[in-house]
Amino acid sequence: AQKVTQAQTEISVVEKEDVTLDCVYETRDTTYYLFWYKQPPSGELVFLIRRNSFDEQNEISGRYSWNFQKSTSSFNFTITASQVVDSAVYFCALSEAEYGGGADGLTFGKGTHLIIQP
Amino acid sequence: DGGITQSPKYLFRKEGQNVTLSCEQNLNHDAMYWYRQDPGQGLRLIYYSQIVNDFQKGDIAEGYSVSREKKESFPLTVTSAQKNPTAFYLCASSTAGGSPRGNEQFFGPGTRLTVL
Repeated sequence: AQKVTQAQTEISVVEKEDVTLDCVYETRDTTYYLFWYKQPPSGELVFLIRRNSFDEQNEISGRYSWNFQKSTSSFNFTITASQVVDSAVYFCALSEAEYGGGADGLTFGKGTHLIIQP
Repeated sequence: DGGITQSPKYLFRKEGQNVTLSCEQNLNHDAMYWYRQDPGQGLRLIYYSQIVNDFQKGDIAEGYSVSREKKESFPLTVTSAQKNPTAFYLCASSTAGGSPRGNEQFFGPGTRLTVL
């Protein structure tokens, strides 16, 4: 069965520091999709990125970057020069293309609560 | 503005009562989903629907029911059979064509249900 592990429950850094959020996944599929979502205090999830299993290129979007490594089943997320507005809970999620345990939808990790102190 | 609306934002119910959470989308998405979030936990899938008049159980469907009579609407009923219903409930939608499991899911603002 698919599984997503975010081992860091909470991270606290001072503004302008770089911070990396870890995500490790398990899947039987060769084709799958990985996602990162941000959940600010308001509660609504905000989509950040989607990556399919055949695309191992790292991606950069402004201060955000993602490192996808199939060899270690990891999809880590780095925020460079963090800002107070980055404070939120961040979720990594997995969607399998072939096996879904009978259910569609996303399998989420438990999330990492990121606190950026001014 | 296209998006997903959920109502109410906060909901209180007494034990033993059924309650229905609303989810409406105007994104013209075929697929809709209900997730439950508990404190310190990730989201868990309750039910999903890929097309009108059809829906499937997710990982934690017991004590819940849904209907999908219209493309835009996917209400969730929390029944008295749900033993621990206090949680944050999130509705999502996505396109269903192509590779649906790879499609981005858009989320609503959520409903926080508290059982008194």
